[in-house]
Amino acid sequence: AQTVTQSQPEMSVQEAETVTLSCTYDTSESDYYLFWYKQPPSRQMILVIRQEAYKQQNATENRFSVNFQKAAKSFSLKISDSQLGDAAMYFCAYRSAMLTGGGNKLTFGTGTQLKVEL
Amino acid sequence: EAGVTQSPTHLIKTRGQQATLRCSPISGHTSVYWYQQALGLGLQFLLWYDEGEERNRGNFPPRFSGRQFPNYSSELNVNALELEDSALYLCASSLNRGLGTEAFFGQGTRLTVV
Repeated sequence: AQTVTQSQPEMSVQEAETVTLSCTYDTSESDYYLFWYKQPPSRQMILVIRQEAYKQQNATENRFSVNFQKAAKSFSLKISDSQLGDAAMYFCAYRSAMLTGGGNKLTFGTGTQLKVEL
Repeated sequence: EAGVTQSPTHLIKTRGQQATLRCSPISGHTSVYWYQQALGLGLQFLLWYDEGEERNRGNFPPRFSGRQFPNYSSELNVNALELEDSALYLCASSLNRGLGTEAFFGQGTRLTVV
């Protein structure tokens, strides 16, 4: 079974600064997908960024980028030029690439609460 | 285009009662996933329905059950409610069981068991 670990329950960042959220995972599979989701107080889970394991290039989406280290099974999220609207709970998630039973089932970490300060 | 909608937004039940939660997927999506988000925990996978059938379930007791209707909407039923069932229940939908499709989430139902 796959597991996802987020060791930082809370993080703080000053507005306009950069912050990095950590995530590690454990799997015996070679092909999979990794995601970062954002959950603001509205409770809606919003996809921030995704990474395919077979791609060596790190994914980027505007101010959001990842550092994907496959051998180390590490998948950190970097938020640049932090904004007040970035304040939320951030979840790291894993999904198998194998079409056997799980479908699009996601395995989540326990989340990191990000606070953005003026 | 409407997103994933869940009802009710909040639900308060007494221990031992039954709760029914509903989810309408995005139009055209055939897969529906249910997750439980208990306080302080990440999301735990509950159930996956696709094309009207249960395809997979997480490590939850049988009193957690559900179904998917011909229009692909879904119900989650929780029988014999226990205090620890209090949580946010999130529904997600995706196009089909293909792996390249993203899952989109609703805003959840907050279930409180007293």
